[in-house]
Amino acid sequence: LAKTTQPISMDSYEGQEVNITCSHNNIATNDYITWYQQFPSQGPRFIIQGYKTKVTNEVASLFIPADRKSSTLSLPRVSLSDTAVYYCLVTLLSGGYNKLIFGAGTRLAVHP
Amino acid sequence: DGGITQSPKYLFRKEGQNVTLSCEQNLNHDAMYWYRQDPGQGLRLIYYSQIVNDFQKGDIAEGYSVSREKKESFPLTVTSAQKNPTAFYLCATEDRSYEQYFGPGTRLTVT
Repeated sequence: LAKTTQPISMDSYEGQEVNITCSHNNIATNDYITWYQQFPSQGPRFIIQGYKTKVTNEVASLFIPADRKSSTLSLPRVSLSDTAVYYCLVTLLSGGYNKLIFGAGTRLAVHP
Repeated sequence: DGGITQSPKYLFRKEGQNVTLSCEQNLNHDAMYWYRQDPGQGLRLIYYSQIVNDFQKGDIAEGYSVSREKKESFPLTVTSAQKNPTAFYLCATEDRSYEQYFGPGTRLTVT
């Protein structure tokens, strides 16, 4: 049974790079890994998605090693506004209903 | 928030009453989801639907019911059988690349 594990919290300072790792065992080759950001009392927002190697967009990068047992969200040069909870989601694809496995979330605090 | 509307934002009910939370979308997505979030906790899946007139139980479906009569709408009913209904409820849709789009949420308080 697939399960995701993330650090409960992390601290950083403005301008630093932050890497948050999500461990996920038993995922198949084409299963997707997605990261979301959530501010208090709001719905999560999509950050980035991939299923292998490296993906980069205007706000983050996602690194997935060959064994696919983990993925790392990289936030370059964080600012105070990046203080939020970050969730990884593994989508296990099937022919019918996909299985969604959310991590418990990582609370990132960015300090001045 | 995008094209997903959840209303109302805050909802108060007395214990023992059923309450229905609204979720409407104009994104033309087939798949829709309901999650529950307790303070300081992650998201837990209640129900989900990948097509009209079909839905599946999630991890914590007991005490909840849903319907999917229209593509645009996926209402969630919190019944009196739900022991701890006070929570933040999030509705989401999913596009064909498995990206989820979340609504603004409804905070339900039952006293």
